[in-house]
Amino acid sequence: DAGITQSPRYKITETGRQVTLMCHQTWSHSYMFWYRQDLGHGLRLIYYSAAADITDKGEVPDGYVVSRSKTENFPLTLESATRSQTSVYFCASSDVVSGTYYEQYFGPGTRLTVT
Amino acid sequence: AQKVTQAQTEISVVEKEDVTLDCVYETRDTTYYLFWYKQPPSGELVFLIRRNSFDEQNEISGRYSWNFQKSTSSFNFTITASQVVDSAVYFCALREYSNSGYALNFGKGTSLLVTP
Repeated sequence: DAGITQSPRYKITETGRQVTLMCHQTWSHSYMFWYRQDLGHGLRLIYYSAAADITDKGEVPDGYVVSRSKTENFPLTLESATRSQTSVYFCASSDVVSGTYYEQYFGPGTRLTVT
Repeated sequence: AQKVTQAQTEISVVEKEDVTLDCVYETRDTTYYLFWYKQPPSGELVFLIRRNSFDEQNEISGRYSWNFQKSTSSFNFTITASQVVDSAVYFCALREYSNSGYALNFGKGTSLLVTP
């Protein structure tokens, strides 16, 4: 399917476990992002990537790891899940062409619960 | 510091009323982008509009219109003749030129409920 997809859509895990959230986009957008959405906080940036093999921290990176070996994929790993990481996670992608910044398109989200 | 303020947490209107969602932003950049996104109850984030800082022309798209005023650092969103399907959380977002990664700073959202 064209667009941006996330998997799984729902995940329940236990404290201390490692969990990976997947994100895949078919547009070949250079930029990809991970946000988390929590009540009262809106959306906050976790990590972003400007291209394959280029990643950087956002506002709330602690406890998360990302990688981007291919342009289309941007997995987010929680190394040792904590209850505070219970959230809805959104992946997004966007393109920048000749200095023009285009809008971000979001995946459907992954609802993660850490018990 | 919050760079995007959506002071209205919740708004409730009756169908066919007009409603304006406020967005005030803060930036020192002269080049920046503003956005509105819609998040319906199903949870996805839907892009509505992008506006760059050099384009203050207001925009209308069907029942939606946007008023961008640099003098007051505001980018307000009006829905004319609201419908039940407009019920959603609406987010205003800012992308600053100096912000590495082109990431968006989101406001906390305004929850709009349109009742029949």
